[in-house]
Amino acid sequence: AQSVTQPDARVTVSEGASLQLRCKYSYSATPYLFWYVQYPRQGLQLLLKYYSGDPVVQGVNSFEAEFSKSNSSFHLQKASVHWSDSAVYFCALSINSGTYQRFGTGTKLQVVP
Amino acid sequence: EAAVTQSPRNKVTVTGGNVTLSCRQTNSHNYMYWYRQDTGHGLRLIHYSYGAGNLQIGDVPDGYKATRTTQEDFFLLLELASPSQTSLYFCASSGDWGANTGQLYFGEGSKLTVL
Repeated sequence: AQSVTQPDARVTVSEGASLQLRCKYSYSATPYLFWYVQYPRQGLQLLLKYYSGDPVVQGVNSFEAEFSKSNSSFHLQKASVHWSDSAVYFCALSINSGTYQRFGTGTKLQVVP
Repeated sequence: EAAVTQSPRNKVTVTGGNVTLSCRQTNSHNYMYWYRQDTGHGLRLIHYSYGAGNLQIGDVPDGYKATRTTQEDFFLLLELASPSQTSLYFCASSGDWGANTGQLYFGEGSKLTVL
């Protein structure tokens, strides 16, 4: 089945530390992958997307993600987190040639002092 | 800037009640979607549409109807609401695949409580 797995429901990191949020996908064809962020009481906003080419993609607010076909992964990374990065992060996979997206269960990030 | 507006933002009803959630987008997008968000499940697709009069079923369509009356307006209908439909509902829109990025633009959500 075409699916996305985010194995970590919650992640806590110290401000200034590096971050990796994990995403694994299951899809037989070339995947189109996305990371979205949800701040409290808001809808989701796109952070970055991968379609093809360079496996490392840059996004907003210094986030980047690395696509690995061999590992079926699309992990989100940031070199130094800020308290304002506290939010819920969703990985998503495009289905049926882009007609809709299927989401993971989300990872809640808490940045502590 | 893309804009998706949902109403109502909060709704409380009783079991068996009738609820309509509304969504309007001003992005001139063809695709519109209804998702529900639940802890432990993330976002799950209920219904989607690629134009006025069109309706496609998503992954969790049971108990929901939807109608796309215009390019701008997409409605989600719960005709006999049940407590299991208590959730946060999101509407989203996107342009045609390939024409833009496939990015979804989300509304701010409608919180539904079924007592």
